[in-house]
Amino acid sequence: EAQVTQNPRYLITVTGKKLTVTCSQNMNHEYMSWYRQDPGLGLRQIYYSMNVEVTDKGDVPEGYKVSRKEKRNFPLILESPSPNQTSLYFCASSLRGLAGEREQFFGPGTRLTVL
Amino acid sequence: RKEVEQDPGPFNVPEGATVAFNCTYSNSASQSFFWYRQDCRKEPKLLMSVYSSGNEDGRFTAQLNRASQYISLLIRDSKLSDSATYLCVAPRDYKLSFGAGTTVTVRA
Repeated sequence: EAQVTQNPRYLITVTGKKLTVTCSQNMNHEYMSWYRQDPGLGLRQIYYSMNVEVTDKGDVPEGYKVSRKEKRNFPLILESPSPNQTSLYFCASSLRGLAGEREQFFGPGTRLTVL
Repeated sequence: RKEVEQDPGPFNVPEGATVAFNCTYSNSASQSFFWYRQDCRKEPKLLMSVYSSGNEDGRFTAQLNRASQYISLLIRDSKLSDSATYLCVAPRDYKLSFGAGTTVTVRA
């Protein structure tokens, strides 16, 4: 089954404790990205990757890191989480990152709470 | 100004009604647009793509007005299952800008 998976689905952590949220897709998609969703603000893009070893900042990259060592995986790293990073996070992938080929396939989401 | 703005609603309509709402975008260079549907904080799923003046898919019609820089979504003959939040998306180079969403509730 074609899908995007994220782990963990739910996480409660404390300020400053490094964490990684994994994202994996099995569709051989080139483009992957991370979003956070907050009430009233909608989905905001954190980082995106156009292909292996090619990543760039989205609109809200502060406090996050990513890597793309393999095509299928795009982990999101919070080196020192803070309470303002409490949010619902979505990973997404698409065949390419070009205009016109932008259907995004989303993972199920990770609900993160930082105390 | 936000890249993409939507009326948050909620639009509360009876079954069978027609409901329409808009999304405005600021980047005049955007060529394609998308409507996604999101149920109750679950993952968004693609509803429609809009590449030219508009697109129609069954009860759903999306229209693009480049001069005024807005996209509209119209839902005819609303069903209970249409209750959701509808997200408007405009690509900018390799980035994607999502609107905050328009909530539609269809009541029996």
